[in-house]
Amino acid sequence: EVQLVESGGGLVQPGGSLRLSCAASGFIFSDHYMDWVRQAPGKGLEWVGRIRNKANSYAREYAASVTGRFTVSRDDSRNSLSLQMNSLKTEDTAVYYCVSLLWSSGPANWGLGTLVTVSS
Amino acid sequence: EIVLTQSPGTLSLSPGERATLSCRASQSVSSNSLAWYQQKPGQAPRLLIFGASSRATGIPDRFSGSGSGTDFTLTISRLEPEDLAVYYCHQYGRSPPYSFGQGTKLEIK
Repeated sequence: EVQLVESGGGLVQPGGSLRLSCAASGFIFSDHYMDWVRQAPGKGLEWVGRIRNKANSYAREYAASVTGRFTVSRDDSRNSLSLQMNSLKTEDTAVYYCVSLLWSSGPANWGLGTLVTVSS
Repeated sequence: EIVLTQSPGTLSLSPGERATLSCRASQSVSSNSLAWYQQKPGQAPRLLIFGASSRATGIPDRFSGSGSGTDFTLTISRLEPEDLAVYYCHQYGRSPPYSFGQGTKLEIK
């Protein structure tokens, strides 16, 4: 069974840092691109960042709203993805999802999400 | 940056009817890298369609996608009460940002 399980969310003050993790199982993690997508309370979906696979040099891409503050990384040996979030702002409050993407099957697998709340 | 505009914002239909949801892109979507998701209240999004017209694993054939370039459509034939959800389009193509539409809320009368 394919599973993506996010963890690491919580309450953090503005300007603080948080590291999210995503544990993958049930599929060949190393073949996939991996995305982080977020959803602010009551709002739509927003793409945050992507890390490509080894064949594509683990290239990283970010939304303009998080560039310079967030870093996506992956460890294929542990089937894990992470999102390091620094200099957090109140507008970063959202549920964060990890998503796997394979061109032959699309962005098919989503985790249940982890809630990040940035508030004083 | 590719902006995706979905219409209508809200759609209210009865069981058994057909729903037609639109997603228009500000620029051509590369390689038809266009997906549709269903999101029910309190749940994560579920992939329905990828590559503009390919159904994801386990998705009933009531759901179909079509279109290319800048105009895409999700059709749900024979609506069921369980189809109540917000539907999003998403371009996941070759260069960032990989934008989402703002969503269409489907209400079942």
